[in-house]
Formats: sequence, C-alpha cells, structure tokens
Amino acid sequence: DTAVSQTPKYLVTQMGNDKSIKCEQNLGHDTMYWYKQDSKKFLKIMFSYNNKELIINETVPNRFSPKSPDKAHLNLHINSLELGDSAVYFCASSQDPTRGGLPAANYGYTFGSGTRLTVV
Amino acid sequence: QKEVEQDPGPLSVPEGAIVSLNCTYSNSAFQYFMWYRQYSRKGPELLMYTYSSGNKEDGRFTAQVDKSSKYISLFIRDSQPSDSATYLCAMSVRGKSTFGDGTTLTVKP
Repeated sequence: DTAVSQTPKYLVTQMGNDKSIKCEQNLGHDTMYWYKQDSKKFLKIMFSYNNKELIINETVPNRFSPKSPDKAHLNLHINSLELGDSAVYFCASSQDPTRGGLPAANYGYTFGSGTRLTVV
Repeated sequence: QKEVEQDPGPLSVPEGAIVSLNCTYSNSAFQYFMWYRQYSRKGPELLMYTYSSGNKEDGRFTAQVDKSSKYISLFIRDSQPSDSATYLCAMSVRGKSTFGDGTTLTVKP
C-alpha cells in the first residue's frame, strides 16, 4: 500500500528528448509537490498543486510543465532534456497547508521514493 | 543568504553516542519546524515536527526549537547504526516548506 508512488524509479535518456514522470498518492491529501534533489542532497521545490490548482511555481525553466488531472495525481513533463536536469525528482503530498487548525504533523510531507533521472 | 542554514557535516559517531544536529533560519514567519530522515536512495520521511519553542521528545529523539534565536536542533540519544542517514531540517509557512541542505550521519558499530 504505497502512499506516494512515482514512476519510473530510474530514467536514462539522451539530451533533447522529452520525458514524463508520474506521481499518485492514496492518502487523500489536497496538496502535491515536485521537488528536485541535486547531487549534494539539496531539496528545492519546483511546483505545488492544491486541488488541481497551481499554487507554487518556483523559478523553473518552462521546459518543465506539471499537470494535475485530479488531486491524487501530479505528473511532470520535461521537454528538451539537458545534462543539468540530471537529478532525483521527488513527488510529495500533504494536507492543505493553508488550512489552519490542524495538528502540526498534518503539515508534514509524505514523499515518494524518487525518480533518478540521468541525461546523457 | 539562505533562509535555512544547516550544519553541513558529515558526522561520524560511535554507537551509543549522543548526536546533535542543528539548523538556523532567518525568516521569522516560519510556523512549523520539522526534521526528516532520508536513507540512501529513498525519499525523506517525516521524523519530528513542532510549532512552538521548547522541546519535544519521541523515544530517543528530541526536537528543540528556540524561536527567539531562530535555531532548531535534533538530538539523538543512544545512537544506533540504523540511524545512519541524511537528516534534513525543514520549516514552513503558508504552504511552503524550505529545507536545509542536510547532514549525513554515520553511526559506527
């Protein structure tokens, strides 16, 4: 019963290709995120969706386009892949963090196991 | 200047040692303070959370928050080899969590 599942786990592709990563959560959370983790373990937020609505869009090249068909799914499509896109991409979900009155633990994220993208 | 600064490590300690992991932050608006543990080739998992100054204990782990100094710590007592992982502090406000860079801990048997 995986709470947040990402596919694929590994992705090796050539520069210039277009690829997608899929994410699904079965926790009933309202909010989903994409994070990028570089080789130094730094986690940087890319996008956040709340009930299918984009709420956080950090400075990310427009080659990256998220899509949320429903609140349980958040996919990431990357066009024209570059060497610098190589990283581990994590999907995460949480309760709606803008809803007050919840126990603090509800604002924590549940992460998927990551997609290791290598661009050659 | 980064909003969240974490002691870089890496840390290597013998089994049974007390470990202290530390972060400082600059944004006084942060409301929630968390620690995540990340094993190699896995996603981060929420370990501890708090929203007020003071200590919170959970088994061998104690999270400490000092809002006046903008400083948080995670203490691990009686450290075990299974505690070997990267620990990330995180702080959130209005729906956005900002993570520290992580401290890699190795506990040697």
